[in-house]
Amino acid sequence: SQQGEEDPQALSIQEGENATMNCSYKTSINNLQWYRQNSGRGLVHLILIRSNEREKHSGRLRVTLDTSKKSSSLLITASRAADTASYFCATDADTGRRALTFGSGTRLQVQP
Amino acid sequence: ETGVTQTPRHLVMGMTNKKSLKCEQHLGHNAMYWYKQSAKKPLELMFVYSLEERVENNSVPSRFSPECPNSSHLFLHLHTLQPEDSALYLCASSQVAGNSGANVLTFGAGSRLTVL
Repeated sequence: SQQGEEDPQALSIQEGENATMNCSYKTSINNLQWYRQNSGRGLVHLILIRSNEREKHSGRLRVTLDTSKKSSSLLITASRAADTASYFCATDADTGRRALTFGSGTRLQVQP
Repeated sequence: ETGVTQTPRHLVMGMTNKKSLKCEQHLGHNAMYWYKQSAKKPLELMFVYSLEERVENNSVPSRFSPECPNSSHLFLHLHTLQPEDSALYLCASSQVAGNSGANVLTFGAGSRLTVL
């Protein structure tokens, strides 16, 4: 079964609104990362939060991590049409295996 | 564009063809990966080459064969594929720095494969 599971699968909002995406995972982790993918292109790293951190900010991005609930959220504030993309969480598991495990992603549509 | 270059960007092949996907990274990283992305499914890790060790997903069919001649180049050799193998194949690289270090991936733009 997959490690990361994003929720919702799709989200449509108006420009200027905030977008919140959630991620749940199953095993203990070293860190959790969020990536963005424009249609048909590769993924781009956005932000990383370590297992001993609870919240992190980067520009309009805010990430939270709750290791007791094995969940994370990504908040994009004051969204723009250019934020339209798919967003994936990825877990770096505490197993020594050095490959990230990705979820199915949340497809975000920001209407101008 | 991102330091990881994949060729070709698009490939159409028949089930009896043999083709290869190529990936090159210009970042000095010590690990390279192949991921498969199918519609509405999680990214599936296929192969990892890290610190000269190959790790593979045991569920990947033998019709996919990786090759990593050096730390900058990675190939995925394809033969006798099936239509369900049609997908976006993503190459990534990273600098692995021990068990406690963060492993951040840099992806290429992907190779869109269509098997007829």
